[in-house]
Amino acid sequence: AQKITQTQPGMFVQEKEAVTLDCTYDTSDQSYGLFWYKQPSSGEMIFLIYQGSYDEQNATEGRYSLNFQKARKSANLVISASQLGDSAMYFCAMREPQNNNDMRFGAGTRLTVKP
Amino acid sequence: DSGVTQTPKHLITATGQRVTLRCSPRSGDLSVYWYQQSLDQGLQFLIQYYNGEERAKGNILERFSAQQFPDLHSELNLSSLELGDSALYFCASSRPPDTQYFGPGTRLTVL
Repeated sequence: AQKITQTQPGMFVQEKEAVTLDCTYDTSDQSYGLFWYKQPSSGEMIFLIYQGSYDEQNATEGRYSLNFQKARKSANLVISASQLGDSAMYFCAMREPQNNNDMRFGAGTRLTVKP
Repeated sequence: DSGVTQTPKHLITATGQRVTLRCSPRSGDLSVYWYQQSLDQGLQFLIQYYNGEERAKGNILERFSAQQFPDLHSELNLSSLELGDSALYFCASSRPPDTQYFGPGTRLTVL
């Protein structure tokens, strides 16, 4: 069963604008972790941000913030003040401690920042 | 730079051959994970090792095997290669249950 869903295969955003990348997840566990990774065209996977299921505050890391809505099982990534270098694939992932801490990844969203 | 190293960066080989991919985790990380990223399957978890022992298995084919050595580096062995094995293979490491940090990947092309 698909546990991580990213419904936007591709997104466009104007430089300096904010953009939200959607992610919904499915789990019956109470304790889990949610992650976002960036994969530029060079191929490496870069960790961006982490949200624990018990964290009451939304995670933020510089221009990245995670809009965590636990009841709706969504963990959307918000990128503020987009830059050309933000053009990349973005993957949402979930770790479930009761599942050997396995990470499950979504299909990804390709973000293109327009100048 | 994540601190995870992978060699080689690129690998081109023929069907039926066997290759070994190598990964060195970040200093202090005991867990190593292997992933396969292909165009049609996305990013798939293959196998996890923790301090030398297999911890979890994902969608790893029987033709594939891995091990983690006492110095914590890991190797992924792929044998009887098929065209469909062409993919980007990632290694990641962590101090469980912390964040997994990925290496730069090995791009395998099977001709």
